[in-house]
Amino acid sequence: DAGVIQSPRHEVTEMGQEVTLRCKPISGHNSLFWYRQTMMRGLELLIYFNNNVPIDDSGMPEDRFSAKMPNASFSTLKIQPSEPRDSAVYFCASSLLAGKVNEQYFGPGTRLTVT
Amino acid sequence: GNSVTQMEGPVTLSEEAFLTINCTYTATGYPSLFWYVQYPGEGLQLLLKATKADDKGSNKGFEATYRKETTSFHLEKGSVQVSDSAVYFCALGGSSSASKIIFGSGTRLSIRP
Repeated sequence: DAGVIQSPRHEVTEMGQEVTLRCKPISGHNSLFWYRQTMMRGLELLIYFNNNVPIDDSGMPEDRFSAKMPNASFSTLKIQPSEPRDSAVYFCASSLLAGKVNEQYFGPGTRLTVT
Repeated sequence: GNSVTQMEGPVTLSEEAFLTINCTYTATGYPSLFWYVQYPGEGLQLLLKATKADDKGSNKGFEATYRKETTSFHLEKGSVQVSDSAVYFCALGGSSSASKIIFGSGTRLSIRP
């Protein structure tokens, strides 16, 4: 199994630019999660989807952030416009929502630097 | 609401020392419990899990037992290696159809040769 795939692995952009992060979940998984990790705030859940439908976006920091899941095999997290404080590692994770056991499988992350 | 509290780090040990990282939780119902590990520059990986009281999860020499009476899920290893240096996260999963996992703040472990 290829695991969760994220692209790009590294992104450096200037303040004000649009940034799009991409995620391909594990085939057959029906839940997808976007996290942000920084030294200051640790690991934060931004948004998650069940069966392509957003369930909880309360962690999205502000309107500059948006996420979509047009189908079961692809999701995007977009930041427009980007700001230096958005610099972080962004992780995508997927899981199979089926009963109680619901471990998540994480991608390698996208390291975003906004200058 | 549900929450997880784990031992603050960093923790520094010598190779072959005994490791314990404490984790306690607050939850309704019967949640699943997890330990994840994050090596430098990588995403989180599932280390072990337990789905009901008294279950013991184990992997790579690490163990944790689901203790409902003390609401704990402490991580232990009898003899740590330099390669175990990483950040360890305790986590709690829903006991219903909800798929969200609540992660602890993480404990950084460093092992000296």
